[in-house]
Amino acid sequence: GAGVSQSPSNKVTEKGKDVELRCDPISGHTALYWYRQSLGQGLEFLIYFQGNSAPDKSGLPSDRFSAERTGGSVSTLTIQRTQQEDSAVYLCASSSRTRFSREQFFGPGTRLTVL
Amino acid sequence: SQKIEQNSEALNIQEGKTATLTCNYTNYSPAYLQWYRQDPGRGPVFLLLIRENEKEKRKERLKVTFDTTLKQSLFHITASQPADSATYLCALEGGSGNTPLVFGKGTRLSVIA
Repeated sequence: GAGVSQSPSNKVTEKGKDVELRCDPISGHTALYWYRQSLGQGLEFLIYFQGNSAPDKSGLPSDRFSAERTGGSVSTLTIQRTQQEDSAVYLCASSSRTRFSREQFFGPGTRLTVL
Repeated sequence: SQKIEQNSEALNIQEGKTATLTCNYTNYSPAYLQWYRQDPGRGPVFLLLIRENEKEKRKERLKVTFDTTLKQSLFHITASQPADSATYLCALEGGSGNTPLVFGKGTRLSVIA
């Protein structure tokens, strides 16, 4: 079946603009995660959605970042008033989070460049 | 604060040898530990998961150990091949059921022919 897809694959924006990044998880996966990866760095957790529970927003670096997940499926990560330090690859992952399957399936990422 | 350390940023080994990567953690009691592979320009790909009550897990040429006393996991690739060259990430998850994975920074492995 189809894997996790993300769009756009690349986004170049000017400082101060808002951007929206989209993630389509694997159908049926209840858990969805957003991470950020800067050049040469590990994955930085941003936000986590699990079913109908309130999202875990503990990783969002500032109130300029927000995310929503509509209908338990597609998710959008929004960055308002982008700054140069927001430049990174934004990765989305989904998981079924059952007792027997906790692996995360990652999308290819969106490379964001803020000029 | 919680901390995950992967022993080195880069590791070079000769083809055919066994590669051993280390993941150490502090101030954490993970219920699960996972290893992922990441190639340049791509998202990580899941390799193995080991539970806190398991000592060792194998999959083809891969072996993972988990020592909760030492707070350490070792990841072995036997009979390494140039195609194994990639960055390997360890990730920890707590046992409450609703905690996200916490990733280490990864070790970049280069297998030289």
